[in-house]
Amino acid sequence: GIQVEQSPPDLILQEGANSTLRCNFSDSVNNLQWFHQNPWGQLINLFYIPSGTKQNGRLSATTVATERYSLLYISSSQTTDSGVYFCAVGETSGSRLTFGEGTQLTVNP
Amino acid sequence: DTGVSQDPRHKITKRGQNVTFRCDPISEHNRLYWYRQTLGQGPEFLTYFQNEAQLEKSRLLSDRFSAERPKGSFSTLEIQRTEQGDSAMYLCASSPKVFGPEAFFGQGTRLTVV
Repeated sequence: GIQVEQSPPDLILQEGANSTLRCNFSDSVNNLQWFHQNPWGQLINLFYIPSGTKQNGRLSATTVATERYSLLYISSSQTTDSGVYFCAVGETSGSRLTFGEGTQLTVNP
Repeated sequence: DTGVSQDPRHKITKRGQNVTFRCDPISEHNRLYWYRQTLGQGPEFLTYFQNEAQLEKSRLLSDRFSAERPKGSFSTLEIQRTEQGDSAMYLCASSPKVFGPEAFFGQGTRLTVV
């Protein structure tokens, strides 16, 4: 099956810093989503972005499907951005999501 | 609240007991998914339904697990004869489209088997 790799696995920032999270995937996809998992375990949708670029406030994402990677940018980070960020992809032939192992982000005040 | 709803939020059970979880998807979403997440890992796919039909099951879904979506609305996931290795967060998601769907997740049911 499709493989999803996220980097870095851990990231520690000072409040106000910018960061880039990366997601590499091993095959063609028809769905790519970025999630933020809050401390209570719920997955919060950030972006549905199988291709192209989107922005939502301080967050933006870019997926280059032909090169099989996606990037999540967080600017002017805040302590509330802390948590685990997951990339998940859906293969062309099916609809299940395959998740990466996540990036644990810690933003210190 | 029009999001995906899961019940219960937490469940502690003794090894060997049966447990059942419920998921109510977003209204009119015809696809419903179950995932399992263990500590420090990303969620792993278990099974999904399109309307009332169960279309795919992961190899993770042993014979002790069964899922239903009898009327194409809510779904239940039952685990029989629970084992300590079943301790995990069980997540439900729903999506509105056949291909390229955006999935929305519920808050999960955290199962602890003692």
